[in-house]
Amino acid sequence: AQTVTQSQPEMSVQEAETVTLSCTYDTSENNYYLFWYKQPPSRQMILVIRQEAYKQQNATENRFSVNFQKAAKSFSLKISDSQLGDTAMYFCAPYMDSNYQLIWGAGTKLIIKP
Amino acid sequence: DAGVIQSPRHEVTEMGQEVTLRCKPISGHNSLFWYRQTMMRGLELLIYFNNNVPIDDSGMPEDRFSAKMPNASFSTLKIQPSEPRDSAVYFCASSPTGQGKTEAFFGQGTRLTVV
Repeated sequence: AQTVTQSQPEMSVQEAETVTLSCTYDTSENNYYLFWYKQPPSRQMILVIRQEAYKQQNATENRFSVNFQKAAKSFSLKISDSQLGDTAMYFCAPYMDSNYQLIWGAGTKLIIKP
Repeated sequence: DAGVIQSPRHEVTEMGQEVTLRCKPISGHNSLFWYRQTMMRGLELLIYFNNNVPIDDSGMPEDRFSAKMPNASFSTLKIQPSEPRDSAVYFCASSPTGQGKTEAFFGQGTRLTVV
């Protein structure tokens, strides 16, 4: 079975610092998609960033960027200049065609301190 | 667009009662998903519809759970009879194609408490 591991249950950083959330996954497929979702206390699930496995260039969305290491099956999320509004649960979720569904990690609780 | 709309936001019911959760997907989206989120088990996919047809319901816990999608703009998830262990947040999500190809848009969820 395909699995997703987020090894950091909780992280806490000061506002304006940079933080990196880790994610590793297991798959035998070559082409797939990777997503990071954010769930703030409001519980709304919001897409942060996506990466297509066939693209070598790491995705970037404003302060959010990924470090995608395909051979290592690693997909970490970097948040630069962190803001109080970044406080949330962050979920890594790969999509494999064989599953036709997202496989969800357990999540990392990120707290941004003022 | 109003996004994915779920109702109710909160539901408290007594054990043994029937519960119906509702979802209106984003117009034009042809895939719809029901998820359940708990602290113990995280986010679990219950059922996936494509073009109103259930494609995979292997995540539905047991016969007490049923889901329907009578048309492209409405879906329900029903629990009958409800049990305390069904207490969770239930999310509906939709996407314009298969879930992995594009973003899945989530509703705000229904927090169900069965006492």
